[in-house]
Amino acid sequence: LAKTTQPISMDSYEGQEVNITCSHNNIATNDYITWYQQFPSQGPRFIIQGYKTKVTNEVASLFIPADRKSSTLSLPRVSLSDTAVYYCLVGYTDKLIFGTGTRLQVFP
Amino acid sequence: EPEVTQTPSHQVTQMGQEVILRCVPISNHLYFYWYRQILGQKVEFLVSFYNNEISEKSEIFDDQFSVERPDGSNFTLKIRSTKLEDSAMYFCASSPGLAGTDTQYFGPGTRLTVL
Repeated sequence: LAKTTQPISMDSYEGQEVNITCSHNNIATNDYITWYQQFPSQGPRFIIQGYKTKVTNEVASLFIPADRKSSTLSLPRVSLSDTAVYYCLVGYTDKLIFGTGTRLQVFP
Repeated sequence: EPEVTQTPSHQVTQMGQEVILRCVPISNHLYFYWYRQILGQKVEFLVSFYNNEISEKSEIFDDQFSVERPDGSNFTLKIRSTKLEDSAMYFCASSPGLAGTDTQYFGPGTRLTVL
């Protein structure tokens, strides 16, 4: 399974766009890139998934360059409620391997 | 929106006792999972279950652990003889298909405290 590297923490202010980049240099051909969000004492929650190029849904966008060795989760206009840990996962199996994630703190 | 439910929300037990954690996955999902998260640490995969059998398990999932789908709706995790280090949040998840291409939906978790 591909190893992922992402910043340990990030700070932002309400209303700003936040971009969290994940590095996955040994991603395999079949691997998909998935991002989850986790609030304290809650289960992870799916945010977005992609294979290549750009994916957008109602909460986020996911940018994947052509070589797929990295990906960037973009959260537009964050609010205080976006304070959470964000996980980048790469794989194509039925088990999810979570890293330590990026702890995003949004300030007023 | 359908959701995964788990009971109990908090379980306290004595070391050496057996515990059963219960989960009701989303009804039309085919894949079921258990994960755990020790306080302050990352989420760890325990086991995946498909077609009434374990499809994959981690090294954490030793002989003390077992899973079962006793009927068409429940999915359980049993820990036969709990240890102090089993104290953690246990999350159940389900997905319509393979996690690599299909979303896993997580339940709210059961906090297990072993004394």
